[in-house]
Amino acid sequence: EDKVVQSPLSLVVHEGDTVTLNCSYEVTNFRSLLWYKQEKKAPTFLFMLTSSGIEKKSGRLSSILDKKELSSILNITATQTGDSAIYLCAVEEARDDKIIFGKGTRLHILP
Amino acid sequence: DGGITQSPKYLFRKEGQNVTLSCEQNLNHDAMYWYRQDPGQGLRLIYYSQIVNDFQKGDIAEGYSVSREKKESFPLTVTSAQKNPTAFYLCASRETSTYNEQFFGPGTRLTVL
Repeated sequence: EDKVVQSPLSLVVHEGDTVTLNCSYEVTNFRSLLWYKQEKKAPTFLFMLTSSGIEKKSGRLSSILDKKELSSILNITATQTGDSAIYLCAVEEARDDKIIFGKGTRLHILP
Repeated sequence: DGGITQSPKYLFRKEGQNVTLSCEQNLNHDAMYWYRQDPGQGLRLIYYSQIVNDFQKGDIAEGYSVSREKKESFPLTVTSAQKNPTAFYLCASRETSTYNEQFFGPGTRLTVL
């Protein structure tokens, strides 16, 4: 059965800290891995990763995929209170176009 | 102004009643998805559709039904057979020719009284 596992499930840090969120997957026919941020309602897209070892960066956020280890990390440097959210990892299965989500990591940044 | 709309925002229903959640997109996307979100559970796939008049079951389809008669619309019916329907429901769409990211609607919070 295809699955996506995120860790930790919950994380509390102080403003200015750097955090690393983890995502591992087991998917029969991998196409891509996606990261989303969910603050209140609709998740908003952060990154899509398809190739191993190529870092994607957007401001203080970056992410990289390791296809050999079937995993990805999302890094946030110099965290701010506005980074508080649930971070969702999803994997797309190529055979039937399913997109499967992990349970998310709830990140809380203390001022 | 392109996007995905879901209605209603909040929905209350009595046990034993069927209820239909609306999802409409004007992004001209081929694929549409329904997810259910419970606290601490992430998003679980209910149904998805890659093309008009076709749809597939996701991981938790029991007690739900969908239709895809038009490209822009993918309504979800929560039937009385769904044992624990109180949840937050999210609809998403994406363009399958480019396999880009999903775009999400604002969600519907369903509460069964």
